[in-house]
Order: sequence, then structure tokens, then C-alpha cells
Amino acid sequence: EVQLVESGGGLVQPGGSLRLSCTVSGFTFSDHYMDWVRQAPGKGLEWVGRSRNKANRYTTEYAASVKGRFAISRDDSKDSMYLQMDNLKIEDTAVYYCASSPLLGSYYLIRHWGQGTLATVSS
Amino acid sequence: DIQMAQSPSTLSVSVGDRVTITCRASQTLNRRLSWYQAKPGKAPKLLIYEASSLDSGVPSRFSGSESGTEYTLTINDLQPDDFASYFCQQYKSYPLTFGGGTKVEI
Repeated sequence: EVQLVESGGGLVQPGGSLRLSCTVSGFTFSDHYMDWVRQAPGKGLEWVGRSRNKANRYTTEYAASVKGRFAISRDDSKDSMYLQMDNLKIEDTAVYYCASSPLLGSYYLIRHWGQGTLATVSS
Repeated sequence: DIQMAQSPSTLSVSVGDRVTITCRASQTLNRRLSWYQAKPGKAPKLLIYEASSLDSGVPSRFSGSESGTEYTLTINDLQPDDFASYFCQQYKSYPLTFGGGTKVEI
């Protein structure tokens, strides 16, 4: 059974930092691209960023709203991915979802999701 | 960025109904579109990818189609377990973007 479990959410002040973790099981983590997606209260889903797999040199992509403040990393030996969030803003308050993106058909696309972890930025 | 306009935002239906949800993309996607089902407190579930390919284990009452930049999710013979929210997502280009979601309610 595929499982993705996020952790590390909590309350942080504006300008602060938070590190989210995502630990997976049930599939070959090293083969997958991995994504972070967030949903602010009362808002729709927003893609945050992506880590490609080792075959694609672990390169990353980010949404413009977080580029330069957030960084995605992964440790294939621990089946884990991380989201380092720095210089947090109130508008970063959201539930953050970890998602796995296998090669399906001809493209890597989001298939499995975790249940999310809440990050709240407030003074 | 590619914008995804999803409609309707809410659908009030009954068991056994046929449901149609649409996403219109601001640019051509070359069928690089997925549909997901989401329920409160549960992880979203992939239903369809590449516009019309059913993910493993997804019932055949779910189907997807494409016409130009308009993509459609159809649920035939709606079952009680199908009352949920549905959203589309394009993976043609970065940033990946989502439709606003459709809540299917009784």
C-alpha cells in the first residue's frame, strides 16, 4: 500500500522558518519525481515545487511565489523528501501536501498524495 | 502560466445521475491533464491522466475526454461513494496548475 506521511507543520512567526518532511512507503521512491502542493484556507490548490529523480539529477522546479525562499531536497536512502521554508509570509499559511509523481504513460505526473500538514504563519 | 477554468463549482445531483465537469485551459495542453477526487480528511485520488486514461482500480463509470482546450470528466451512474470534490490539473508546463474544484453534493 502506498503511503505518504507529512510532518513538521506548526505555528511560526512571519520571517521565520519551517522544515516539512515527507516519508513514503509502498513504492520505489528513488524512481519518482516528488511534489509539494499547498492549499490555503478557503482557497484552491497551488503547486509549490518539484524534485526530479536521480536519473534527472534531482533538479528542482518552483512556483514563482516561493522561489528563493523555499527549497526542496530528498534523501533516497530514507525514502524522504523535505521542504525548507524560509522568510515565511502570512500568505504561506496552508495545508502542505506531499505527492509522488511516477512516470505514467509518457510523463511524470502526480499520482499519490499524503494527507497534508498545516503550516501557520502568524504573529 | 496556464490558467485552468473549472465549472461548475458545485453540482447538486442524485444517485444514478450522470455528472459532467469541465476544465478549460488557457493554452493547448496536448492532453496533459489529470483529474482527481478529494474527500475531507483523505488524500486526493488520481482518477484519470492524459485526459482519458483511467488510473488503475478506478471504476469504469469514470471517463475523461478532450476537445481542443476543453477537458471533461464524466461520471455515469453516480454512486454514493462518488459524492466528493473533483479537480483537474495540467502538467503541460511549469508551474503545474489546478482547476478551482467542483463539489458534487446530494
